[in-house]
Amino acid sequence: AQSVTQLGSHVSVSEGALVLLRCNYSSSVPPYLFWYVQYPNQGLQLLLKYTSAATLVKGINGFEAEFKKSETSFHLTKPSAHMSDAAEYFCAVRVASGGSYIPTFGRGTSLIVHP
Amino acid sequence: GAGVSQSPSNKVTEKGKDVELRCDPISGHTALYWYRQSLGQGLEFLIYFQGNSAPDKSGLPSDRFSAERTGGSVSTLTIQRTQQEDSAVYLCASSLGRGQAGELFFGEGSRLTVL
Repeated sequence: AQSVTQLGSHVSVSEGALVLLRCNYSSSVPPYLFWYVQYPNQGLQLLLKYTSAATLVKGINGFEAEFKKSETSFHLTKPSAHMSDAAEYFCAVRVASGGSYIPTFGRGTSLIVHP
Repeated sequence: GAGVSQSPSNKVTEKGKDVELRCDPISGHTALYWYRQSLGQGLEFLIYFQGNSAPDKSGLPSDRFSAERTGGSVSTLTIQRTQQEDSAVYLCASSLGRGQAGELFFGEGSRLTVL
C-alpha cells in the first residue's frame, strides 16, 4: 500500500521569501506523484506532476518539485512567495493497485503568506 | 458546464436523516471518485467508478454510505441515518481514464453539517 506524509500542517512565510512544502511518500513500486492546490471555497486543482520523466518538474504559478527516489521525497518549492499563494496544498501518490490507480492524498499543508 | 459540478454546495441536516449528494463529472470522463475532506484529515478516499466496471467501494466507512453512477455519468452519494461524525466536505473528482498519470478534476464540494 502507498502513503503520503506532509510535514507541517501549517507553513508561514513572508511575501518574497522561499516557499518549501515537504512531501514524503511510501510505495513498493515506482510512483506517480502530484501536487494539488486548494484555494478557499474551491476544489483542488493540479499544480504539477511527476510521471517518471524528468525528476525536476515545473508547474503553474512558478512552483516546481523535485523527485528524489533515494529520499522518497517530492518537495514543492517556489523561490518567491506571493500573497496569492496562500492556500492549502496537497501531495498525492498514485500507484497500480489491483488494476486501478486510486490516488492517495496527504493531510495537506496550509501556506500562510505574510505581507 | 465545463467542470465537475456538485450539489448541494451546503447541506445542514439533523442526526438520523438521510442525505443525497450529487456529482456531475466532466463529459467524457470515465473515472469518477468520491473523497471526504475533514478538518486536518486531508482527503479520505470513499469510492471509485471506472466505466462500466464494478465500483471500488473499499473506502466507504460504514454500510450507511452508498453510491451509484447512472449511465456512466452522474453519481449520487447517499448517507443514511447521518451521524455528527459524518460532517465534512464531500469532494467529487473525475478523470479521463484509468491511467496512472491522469489528472483528477475536482468539484467545489458539498459541505455537510449534521446537527
